[in-house]
Amino acid sequence: GESVGLHLPTLSVQEGDNSIINCAYSNSASDYFIWYKQESGKGPQFIIDIRSNMDKRQGQRVTVLLNKTVKHLSLQIAATQPGDSAVYFCADGRYNFNKFYFGSGTKLNVKP
Amino acid sequence: DTEVTQTPKHLVMGMTNKKSLKCEQHMGHRAMYWYKQKAKKPPELMFVYSYEKLSINESVPSRFSPECPNSSLLNLHLHALQPEDSALYLCASSQLRDSNQPQHFGDGTRLSIL
Repeated sequence: GESVGLHLPTLSVQEGDNSIINCAYSNSASDYFIWYKQESGKGPQFIIDIRSNMDKRQGQRVTVLLNKTVKHLSLQIAATQPGDSAVYFCADGRYNFNKFYFGSGTKLNVKP
Repeated sequence: DTEVTQTPKHLVMGMTNKKSLKCEQHMGHRAMYWYKQKAKKPPELMFVYSYEKLSINESVPSRFSPECPNSSLLNLHLHALQPEDSALYLCASSQLRDSNQPQHFGDGTRLSIL
């Protein structure tokens, strides 16, 4: 059943500030990492991905950093906008293996 | 609008009912997935189909029965569900070879078991 009182970790930022969302993964064999954004009532939406042969990848207003030594992933959002308010999930898996595990998620609140 | 279409958007059913969830994509993806998502939790993988064949079953109870009639369609047949099966059921698809593209998700079917 549902967990009573379970809350997602929440990050509140001011509009225009930069946001950093963190994620830890546990599987040392994972070599492919994805960040998803999930808005209320919608399915997860792809933001950016990175393979384990890289430690940084940039997209439009987003940057993903990968630290394989400590199994840590972060998503940086520049100039955060109200439309960025959502739950953000990281997922890790094996490239070309089509099986991914999602992290617990972080809720981003952007204050106008 | 998502490129993965799921129907119905909402479904309420009793524990003795039989119903099916449907998923459709026309992106030419040859991998399709079912996930279950409870409130405030991440999606949990249930099944993976590769080239219309079941390749991964994450120890899902037999009251959930997936089916992939062709490369564009994925069904999830439901029978004798329990109240704890109430959740958002998400379908996704992806390329299989040289997978630079990650999964594309539908907006899900919100299932309530009475």
